[in-house]
Amino acid sequence: DGGITQSPKYLFRKEGQNVTLSCEQNLNHDAMYWYRQDPGQGLRLIYYSQIVNDFQKGDIAEGYSVSREKKESFPLTVTSAQKNPTAFYLCASSIVRGRIGQPQHFGDGTRLSIL
Amino acid sequence: AQKVTQAQTEISVVEKEDVTLDCVYETRDTTYYLFWYKQPPSGELVFLIRRNSFDEQNEISGRYSWNFQKSTSSFNFTITASQVVDSAVYFCALSGLIIQGAQKLVFGQGTRLTINP
Repeated sequence: DGGITQSPKYLFRKEGQNVTLSCEQNLNHDAMYWYRQDPGQGLRLIYYSQIVNDFQKGDIAEGYSVSREKKESFPLTVTSAQKNPTAFYLCASSIVRGRIGQPQHFGDGTRLSIL
Repeated sequence: AQKVTQAQTEISVVEKEDVTLDCVYETRDTTYYLFWYKQPPSGELVFLIRRNSFDEQNEISGRYSWNFQKSTSSFNFTITASQVVDSAVYFCALSGLIIQGAQKLVFGQGTRLTINP
């Protein structure tokens, strides 16, 4: 079945360590997104990408980095510069070409905690 | 700036009761889209409905219905005859004009709905 796969489901980070969250989609969607969810809060956009080799900062990009080398993949790196990384991270994708208002489809999320 | 407000942080009802989740939005765009998503305990967001700013017809899908009122900038969601499986966090979201093709969604804070047997 088509969908979005995020891995790992749980991730622990040590002080000063960079960690990478994986997001893969087989929906043939053009755009991909990374969101952060904190308890009792809505989702906040970290980065998004419309097309391969192109990505844009969202509202809370500081301390994060991304790459988009393949259409199917949009990994997110949480760097040591992100001082409060504990959160639930959700990846999403959507159709873009010629269509607006298409819903985003989400993965199951990765829960990141500090050791 | 765009903003979505879900004033109800948590709602708890007994099974079979009707429940309405409120969503109020702010935008200066004339063309925009509103969404509702469900987040069950497993974590993924499940798309429920999309409504564009030019279509104010209410919509019903089984036990779910949505009331879009531009005059009050609201897009409320009603579950009729609630069931325990409806327990989840529900998010309302807003999307305006496309920026470079990708669609930036602005989410409300979410409403945690608990249906008690």
